[in-house]
Amino acid sequence: GENVEQHPSTLSVQEGDSAVIKCTYSDSASNYFPWYKQELGKRPQLIIDIRSNVGEKKDQRIAVTLNKTAKHFSLHITETQPEDSAVYFCAASRSGGSYIPTFGRGTSLIVHP
Amino acid sequence: DSGVTQTPKHLITATGQRVTLRCSPRSGDLSVYWYQQSLDQGLQFLIQYYNGEERAKGNILERFSAQQFPDLHSELNLSSLELGDSALYFCASSPGPNNEKLFFGSGTQLSVL
Repeated sequence: GENVEQHPSTLSVQEGDSAVIKCTYSDSASNYFPWYKQELGKRPQLIIDIRSNVGEKKDQRIAVTLNKTAKHFSLHITETQPEDSAVYFCAASRSGGSYIPTFGRGTSLIVHP
Repeated sequence: DSGVTQTPKHLITATGQRVTLRCSPRSGDLSVYWYQQSLDQGLQFLIQYYNGEERAKGNILERFSAQQFPDLHSELNLSSLELGDSALYFCASSPGPNNEKLFFGSGTQLSVL
């Protein structure tokens, strides 16, 4: 099955800095890569996703890049704000057929004011 | 609010007991997923149902079982509970069997004493 590794487990930045979270996946057939944000005590929520036919996607201050050859994808947050503090999960899956979304173990992002 | 409803929010029970967690998906969503979230373990996939049928199975213990009813709500049954079963259990839903975007409920915090 799919295996997703996520790094770092904890990331501490100053407000206004950029933050980068990286994930690698094992199944070359995976073609959909979402990112979820989980604030303390709340549910995970989808913040951005990317498909394997796209190398980069951006939505305001967040962007995701995908390198299919290397089987890794990254979340980039620019101009971080304290409200960006949360646990971020990457996931990998394959659309079509049996679908089991596999998540990374999460990155705790702390943005210091 | 994601539209996914989970009850109860908190559950405290003793070892050896049996509990039932309930999930109502978003209106129109046919797929229900169950995830277990423990400290430092991320989101562990348990099981998926689509339109009443089991579609995919993860690392779900034999002491655990689930079902999806004709009205599409789902129940996760945990029996012979052990201390290690203490965790946050999330339900998520999506429109189809292979839809990538998951909408999570608020979770049920299970404490086994």
